[in-house]
Amino acid sequence: EVQLVESGGGLVKPGGSLRLSCAASGFTLSSYNMNWVRQAPGKGLQWVSSIRSGSTYIYYADSVKGRFTISRDNAKNSLFLQLNSLRAEDTAVYYCARGTTMSDVWGQGTTVTVSS
Amino acid sequence: DIVLTQSPGTLSLSPGERATLSCRASQSVSSSYLAWYQQKPGQAPRLLIYGASTRATGIPDRFSGSGSGTDFTLTISRLEPEDFAVYYCQQYGSSPLWTFGQGTKVEIK
Repeated sequence: EVQLVESGGGLVKPGGSLRLSCAASGFTLSSYNMNWVRQAPGKGLQWVSSIRSGSTYIYYADSVKGRFTISRDNAKNSLFLQLNSLRAEDTAVYYCARGTTMSDVWGQGTTVTVSS
Repeated sequence: DIVLTQSPGTLSLSPGERATLSCRASQSVSSSYLAWYQQKPGQAPRLLIYGASTRATGIPDRFSGSGSGTDFTLTISRLEPEDFAVYYCQQYGSSPLWTFGQGTKVEIK
């Protein structure tokens, strides 16, 4: 079964850091571009970052540029998102999603709460 | 930046009725790069339509997509109980790479 499973979310104070992970199974991660999308409580979907299959190209939303870092370990079939300098407005469910122009496979999400 | 505006914000319909959801872009969008998703409470989004009109694997044929340029439509021909959810359109571009509409909630009347 094709599956993405996120982990690493939690409660963190403003200014703190977290590292999110996304484990892929049922397909070869190295063949796909990957993305992170977030959803604040009661709000819509917001694209966060994308990474090409070979990590050659990386993209970020302006709201997270300079604070978040996307990476991948194709050998371990894993995707990562390092979140630094966290703000209250980063509170959201973070989804990893497979695809380039759209996503046909999404994880169940991991919740990040930034609060003092 | 391209902005996607979905309308209406909420659609109140009964099972068996037809639902027509609109997604309007602030600039022309390639049809190849327009997708629709369904999201139910507590769940991840599910891909319904990509390339503006191609149904994703396993999506029933009561879901159809159409449109080009700046105006796109998702139609659900006859609403089933499981179709009541929030629907998002999404485009792939340059910066930002992905843009989502704000969503349309289809609720039971």
